[in-house]
Amino acid sequence: KAGVTQTPRYLIKTRGQQVTLSCSPISGHRSVSWYQQTPGQGLQFLFEYFSETQRNKGNFPGRFSGRQFSNSRSEMNVSTLELGDSALYLCASSLGHLNTEAFFGQGTRLTVV
Amino acid sequence: TQLLEQSPQFLSIQEGENLTVYCNSSSVFSSLQWYRQEPGEGPVLLVTVVTGGEVKKLKRLTFQFGDARKDSSLHITAAQTGDTGLYLCAGAGVTGGGNKLTFGTGTQLKVEL
Repeated sequence: KAGVTQTPRYLIKTRGQQVTLSCSPISGHRSVSWYQQTPGQGLQFLFEYFSETQRNKGNFPGRFSGRQFSNSRSEMNVSTLELGDSALYLCASSLGHLNTEAFFGQGTRLTVV
Repeated sequence: TQLLEQSPQFLSIQEGENLTVYCNSSSVFSSLQWYRQEPGEGPVLLVTVVTGGEVKKLKRLTFQFGDARKDSSLHITAAQTGDTGLYLCAGAGVTGGGNKLTFGTGTQLKVEL
């Protein structure tokens, strides 16, 4: 059974640009959550999607957005990139909305220069 | 805001030693999970504890959930070099949190020969 797949693995962007990250959850899992991991702040929750609807949102500015498709794949978008957005972005797959066991992908390492 | 404090922050020990990592909060969680993360990879789920006072064993690892479901501990017996990594506890909220996980500050473990 394939795990969580995140693409791309690495990304370098310039300040002011926008970026889209992709996540394919484990087959049969319908909930996808996104997290940002930085050395200073640790792992912080961005948002959760279930049945193509955002179910929960963390304390991040509106520049961070996401969506989920009918096949449960999810994308997150960051617009007007700032240097502080440099981080490891992790996608977590769960069976359902109230099943909290999360299985993580390898992450996308975003560097903003 | 629910916060999870882990201690110690760093731990460097010799192979064969025992260690305990603590995860404490002032908030009650419906469940608590422990993950291990290696550099450049996403966190890997080790265990989920749900019931206050619950103890779970995974080979040389013993996990305990506090009676009040506010704290947890991870004990490793006879540590091996393969146990090296970042250990993270994560709590799932009691109400309205969906699949949102609040992660602890992390414990970086290094086991040397």
